[in-house]
Amino acid sequence: DVKVTQSSRYLVKRTGEKVFLECVQDMDHENMFWYRQDPGLGLRLIYFSYDVKMKEKGDIPEGYSVSREKKERFSLILESASTNQTSMYLCASSPLRGSVPEQYFGPGTRLTVT
Amino acid sequence: QQQVKQSPQSLIVQKGGISIINCAYENTAFDYFPWYQQFPGKGPALLIAIRPDVSEKKEGRFTISFNKSAKQFSLHIMDSQPGDSATYFCAAITQGGSEKLVFGKGTKLTVNP
Repeated sequence: DVKVTQSSRYLVKRTGEKVFLECVQDMDHENMFWYRQDPGLGLRLIYFSYDVKMKEKGDIPEGYSVSREKKERFSLILESASTNQTSMYLCASSPLRGSVPEQYFGPGTRLTVT
Repeated sequence: QQQVKQSPQSLIVQKGGISIINCAYENTAFDYFPWYQQFPGKGPALLIAIRPDVSEKKEGRFTISFNKSAKQFSLHIMDSQPGDSATYFCAAITQGGSEKLVFGKGTKLTVNP
């Protein structure tokens, strides 16, 4: 089974702190994604990576950056956390040009910024 | 052009009833339409998916109906059970394109016992 793991299930940080959210997948997938999920807004794509060291902005990249130094690991960075970044963060992976473009999601990290 | 519109936002159904969630899209280049199911505290997981060359796909109690001319597709859950209570997301993608799924905003389904 594909497994996508996220470093923390719950995280509480203070305004202005630098926050790292880590995601690891074990299926050798090329594509990795970071979403945030908020009630009534669904899943919004923050950043996407289709290869090591490659990244592409999603719909809401402001205030976030990403790092992908190894194929299996994709990190989301909040350079200076703000209260409006309190949210559920979901990581996903998928194979490049897969016959079934299924995205496999991690369990999520619920981040609270106070 | 890239949006997928999903309705209703929330749905309450009695056990044994039929749950229906609808989605509409504009981009005719979309060629794969999955539905994801998310239980509380979990990430979304693929439930069922359809390609536009068929009008219906059924897997157990879950059926996708697809209307290509109307650019609409829907999820039907027959004999709904309390264990089906979850948030459901429709999505669309152009295979061989951007690799990014476009998601609807989700429907929170509650099935009362």
